[in-house]
Amino acid sequence: DTAVSQTPKYLVTQMGNDKSIKCEQNLGHDTMYWYKQDSKKFLKIMFSYNNKELIINETVPNRFSPKSPDKAHLNLHINSLELGDSAVYFCASSQELTSGQETQYFGPGTRLLVL
Amino acid sequence: DAKTTQPNSMESNEEEPVHLPCNHSTISGTDYIHWYRQLPSQGPEYVIHGLTSNVNNRMASLAIAEDRKSSTLILHRATLRDAAVYYCILRQNNAGNMLTFGGGTRLMVKP
Repeated sequence: DTAVSQTPKYLVTQMGNDKSIKCEQNLGHDTMYWYKQDSKKFLKIMFSYNNKELIINETVPNRFSPKSPDKAHLNLHINSLELGDSAVYFCASSQELTSGQETQYFGPGTRLLVL
Repeated sequence: DAKTTQPNSMESNEEEPVHLPCNHSTISGTDYIHWYRQLPSQGPEYVIHGLTSNVNNRMASLAIAEDRKSSTLILHRATLRDAAVYYCILRQNNAGNMLTFGGGTRLMVKP
């Protein structure tokens, strides 16, 4: 069974549309994340979320919002899509550890193309 | 997270050992050194981590300098499947669990 799964794998849409990417983890982890990997292959954290706290990277536009229906899911909603949103989005999860030793498990990525 | 510096790319021959260096001269005493790798068209995957002592697991070994200002990820016998981008990341205690990725080292393995 896939530990961290994302749907869809590919998403092609028009500028201005609103879309969602779903993420599910079956590892029983407390914390989930969203990362963005742009065309230059740099991976940047967007959000870190557990049932207590949402930490937002201050550079993320407020058109992006994470929604967690339960501990195993963290979906990413994007409003008014722009060309610059085209990227690969990765979901990840980990146990909530504050020692600096936690391991993150990543999903396979969702390739978003905005036309 | 403190900054790390890695070579942009390295080449290796299949079945030979590979030593991937990472400099982290501004590391603090509580920073853990983590390594992740990203295979083509896949999400990053955890490789190994350590604090002060050298570490071994089924994937790799991590050698940490005595002053902790640098570390080396060692793949004992590179295979074609090890071709990936390798990221060295410093993780602070209580840093919100977020990983800060740098540019990484692209490892190419020649048959």
